Amino acid sequence: GAGVSQSPSNKVTEKGKDVELRCDPISGHTALYWYRQSLGQGLEFLIYFQGNSAPDKSGLPSDRFSAERTGGSVSTLTIQRTQQEDSAVYLCASSLSSGRTNEQFFGPGTRLTVL
Amino acid sequence: DQQVKQNSPSLSVQEGRISILNCDYTNSMFDYFLWYKKYPAEGPTFLISISSIKDKNEDGRFTVFLNKSAKHLSLHIVPSQPGDSAVYFCAASGAGANSKLTFGKGITLSVRP
Repeated sequence: GAGVSQSPSNKVTEKGKDVELRCDPISGHTALYWYRQSLGQGLEFLIYFQGNSAPDKSGLPSDRFSAERTGGSVSTLTIQRTQQEDSAVYLCASSLSSGRTNEQFFGPGTRLTVL
Repeated sequence: DQQVKQNSPSLSVQEGRISILNCDYTNSMFDYFLWYKKYPAEGPTFLISISSIKDKNEDGRFTVFLNKSAKHLSLHIVPSQPGDSAVYFCAASGAGANSKLTFGKGITLSVRP
């Protein structure tokens, strides 16, 4: 079956512009996560959705970042007024549930470059 | 403040030999640990995991060892194969319902034919 898909695969934008990144999780997966990987760094947690519960936004670096998940499936990560330090690979992952032992399946990521 | 540390950025081994990838953590609340493998332009893929109640978990050529008192875990790959060449991330999760992962910076493994 299809894995986690993300679009676009690459995004180049100018400083100050808004961007939207999309994630299509694996069908039936109730948990969805956003991470980002800056150059030379590990993956940094951003936000987590589980079913209809309120999302855990504790990893969002600033109020310029927001995310939503519509209908319990597709998720969109929005970055407003982008800054150069937002340049990174943004990765989405999904899992069957929020249990600790449930494997998270990652998409290929969106490489964001802010000029 | 890095809670999961992979202090060696790279490792090179000969095909057929053992690869040992190390990981240290500082947060004693972590109780589940995972290794992910990542090829260029792809997302990370799950490799193997271990719960804090165990000290070893084995899956084929891959074995993860956990030393809780030292807050240290390691991934052993034996025998190493050229296809194992990739970036390996150590990750940890705490107790509770939210299973967000805290990752190390990764280590690049190169297996020479």
